[in-house]
Parts: sequence; structure tokens; C-alpha cells
Amino acid sequence: GAGVSQSPRYKVAKRGQDVALRCDPISGHVSLFWYQQALGQGPEFLTYFQNEAQLDKSGLPSDRFFAERPEGSVSTLKIQRTQQEDSAVYLCASTTGAYNEQFFGPGTRLTVL
Amino acid sequence: ILNVEQSPQSLHVQEGDSTNFTCSFPSSNFYALHWYRWETAKSPEALFVMTLNGDEKKKGRISATLNTKEGYSYLYIKGSQPEDSATYLCAFIMAGGGNKLTFGTGTQLKVEL
Repeated sequence: GAGVSQSPRYKVAKRGQDVALRCDPISGHVSLFWYQQALGQGPEFLTYFQNEAQLDKSGLPSDRFFAERPEGSVSTLKIQRTQQEDSAVYLCASTTGAYNEQFFGPGTRLTVL
Repeated sequence: ILNVEQSPQSLHVQEGDSTNFTCSFPSSNFYALHWYRWETAKSPEALFVMTLNGDEKKKGRISATLNTKEGYSYLYIKGSQPEDSATYLCAFIMAGGGNKLTFGTGTQLKVEL
């Protein structure tokens, strides 16, 4: 795969439902980031992994949000008991070095009804 | 809370026009400034990574300048084309603050024939 992929591209959830969003980074990229973009806003940082270690989760908005990257490649962002305010585009990015340009996936658009 | 601001919020220009946008960011604790282009239904794509005061970078018809002492960066597009229509995002990395990107809200550019 040439780039970062994310699935699903679109997700509609009923309020209270759990969702899981997947990110496949570029092979060999050790750093992986998750961002949340609400309507009319810029993307906001959620969490960061270096290999399998979650080094920063300061941006996760509540304990309903959980991210993992167990083998240092694919990452999953899980949202439990979704609320309407969770509706947003969730972007994943990977990079070779922590401060280098980030390569983004196309995002998952989550709509919570 | 880091404040990264972009102006204008949106811009309509005619094909062939030259245009520029502004990104302002904290002038203290600067590490890097990124510019991304995000076309609808696609992944955000890195344009420039800028780290040094006075940096000027160019890619085709697009160029950017950086002033870290006063906390601003300009993005210029010469001879706009319809394919330049996109949202342009700047993102700031703070020294010693981890490596997460803090984004502005973006400038939405529409180039009309």
C-alpha cells in the first residue's frame, strides 16, 4: 500500500453504540497520530504512538475514547457509548520521524444520531 | 492552549489570480511549522515543513515564508488554477511540547474559471 488507509470511510452510529475506527499506516512508519476534526474546525490532536507505545494521550476528550496499536503497525481508535458531540472526521497520520511531515489517511467521518 | 490562527477563513478567486493566506502562531517555543493542502474527499497532503526563521520554500506555483520572531507564515499561490481549490491548513509544533501538530482552522480556497 502506498499510503495511509482508514476504515470505514463513513460510519453512522446510534447514540450509545460503540464504534471502532481502523488505521493502517505506511509500512515502516514508527510514529502514528490520531486527530479529530469537528465541523468548521481544524484537526485536533487526540493521541500519539511510537511503535506500540502510546506516548501521549492528552487529547482524548473523555475516558470513552481508547486507542491501541498492539503490534506497532495497525491502530484502532475505539469510542464507547457514542454521543452526538463525537460526530467528526477522525484522521490518522503516520511519519518516519516525530517532527517530519505527517502522511494522512482520508479520514473516517463519524455521524452519531 | 496554543493559538494558531489562519486568515482569511475562505477565499474566492478567478483563474490566473495570485493569492496569499496568513498563519499566525506563538512566537515563543517554536519548533516547526507545517502547511497542508486538503482537497475534498482526499487525504491532507503536506506542502511544506518549515523550521528556520526566514525560511522560504517553493513547490511549483506555491511558496511559503516563515517569520518565527513575530509568529507568522505566508502561503502564496501564483496564477491560481481550479485544481488549487482546497482547504489549506497550517500546523505548529512547539519545542519541548511533544510532537503533535496544533492546527489552525484553515483557509478554504475556491478558484473559479
